[in-house]
Amino acid sequence: GAVVSQHPSRVICKSGTSVKIECRSLDFQATTMFWYRQFPKKSLMLMATSNEGSKATYEQGVEKDKFLINHASLTLSTLTVTSAHPEDSSFYICSARWADSYEQYFGPGTRLTVT
Amino acid sequence: QKEVEQNSGPLSVPEGAIASLNCTYSDRGSQSFFWYRQYSGKSPELIMFIYSNGDKEDGRFTAQLNKASQYVSLLIRDSQPSDSATYLCAVNHKFYFGSGTKLNVKP
Repeated sequence: GAVVSQHPSRVICKSGTSVKIECRSLDFQATTMFWYRQFPKKSLMLMATSNEGSKATYEQGVEKDKFLINHASLTLSTLTVTSAHPEDSSFYICSARWADSYEQYFGPGTRLTVT
Repeated sequence: QKEVEQNSGPLSVPEGAIASLNCTYSDRGSQSFFWYRQYSGKSPELIMFIYSNGDKEDGRFTAQLNKASQYVSLLIRDSQPSDSATYLCAVNHKFYFGSGTKLNVKP
């Protein structure tokens, strides 16, 4: 399957700071990338969908000014959690797919802890 | 996002048995369906996808789709302890995930 990486794998930050998470497709051009959040023992919740060169489409209830998504190239999307608070602590996972494909391939996830 | 529903389990089966996982969805217009496996603390990995009614087999895994009844299932034959994980059903269009079914395969 296709390879998607995320960086960092773990991050601990203080309340009020911002954190950037990178998602890269390593062996294919990802026309669409997705960002999910998963709380312990819960399912993945889709946060937003981003297409290369376009503004991200956010799911209902997800604050676009708090979770900034940039998909500047076909291999890189970033999620910035601005002014993070302890309730933002979660497992953030990106996935990517290429044009004309239905399958999504997931990155390994980033565990964010806000203290 | 209640468009995809799964029994949370846990589903316990003995080693070597067939594990049957089910998923129902609400959007009748859905076209593609996916099964992912997620180990604790890890991100999901794709097991199978199915687009057409009927069965699709890949090794020990068989996906079954019934669009009229709006359900998709995953059968795991000869279950192994290494199959113990949470299995997530996902439906395309908006790619919503079910809550997952936790499978325990007992040696």
